[in-house]
Amino acid sequence: AAGVIQSPRHLIKEKRETATLKCYPIPRHDTVYWYQQGPGQDPQFLISFYEKMQSDKGSIPDRFSAQQFSDYHSELNMSSLELGDSALYFCASSDRGQGFNEKLFFGSGTQLSVL
Amino acid sequence: AQTVTQSQPEMSVQEAETVTLSCTYDTSESDYYLFWYKQPPSRQMILVIRQEAYKQQNATENRFSVNFQKAAKSFSLKISDSQLGDAAMYFCAFGSGGSNYKLTFGKGTLLTVNP
Repeated sequence: AAGVIQSPRHLIKEKRETATLKCYPIPRHDTVYWYQQGPGQDPQFLISFYEKMQSDKGSIPDRFSAQQFSDYHSELNMSSLELGDSALYFCASSDRGQGFNEKLFFGSGTQLSVL
Repeated sequence: AQTVTQSQPEMSVQEAETVTLSCTYDTSESDYYLFWYKQPPSRQMILVIRQEAYKQQNATENRFSVNFQKAAKSFSLKISDSQLGDAAMYFCAFGSGGSNYKLTFGKGTLLTVNP
């Protein structure tokens, strides 16, 4: 079965550079979530999209932006990178139309290292 | 805001024995979901079990079961017949009814399984 695809798997950037993380949800999933997990930390919710509209916002810095495109893939854009942005970034998708049976599927994550 | 507390940073269990991981949470909401996620060294986030707050019956998934005490706001995970492959970081997570997968995670419990 198709899973959530994230690219790239690993990304190395310098301070003050820009990074773009991509997420391809499971086909027919309409909702995408982004989480950030720092080293030795629990995942923190950043932002979510439902049907290409932002549906919820968490602890996402102003330097970050995200969107969901017409094909439902999502991109997380990160500018003016800081050392503290080094983390594993998870994308997850779900089909909100499933109601109580809605399940979340995580991608394998993008490991971002800022040097 | 919701909080999730896992009071056991590390736990260990002998292979084939039973172990219980603790989780408490705080919320003023009445409609919510609770989850246990497993994160092995690969750092993939894997759903172990899910509990809907409106259900009195405790969820079970094969060797995994929960003890959900709504009044006490407690949600512990029991792993029976522990296997070496169960070794991982386990996160307890809370999702509110309106946006099930805007999750708040606990700090995690690192489970070691000894042969």
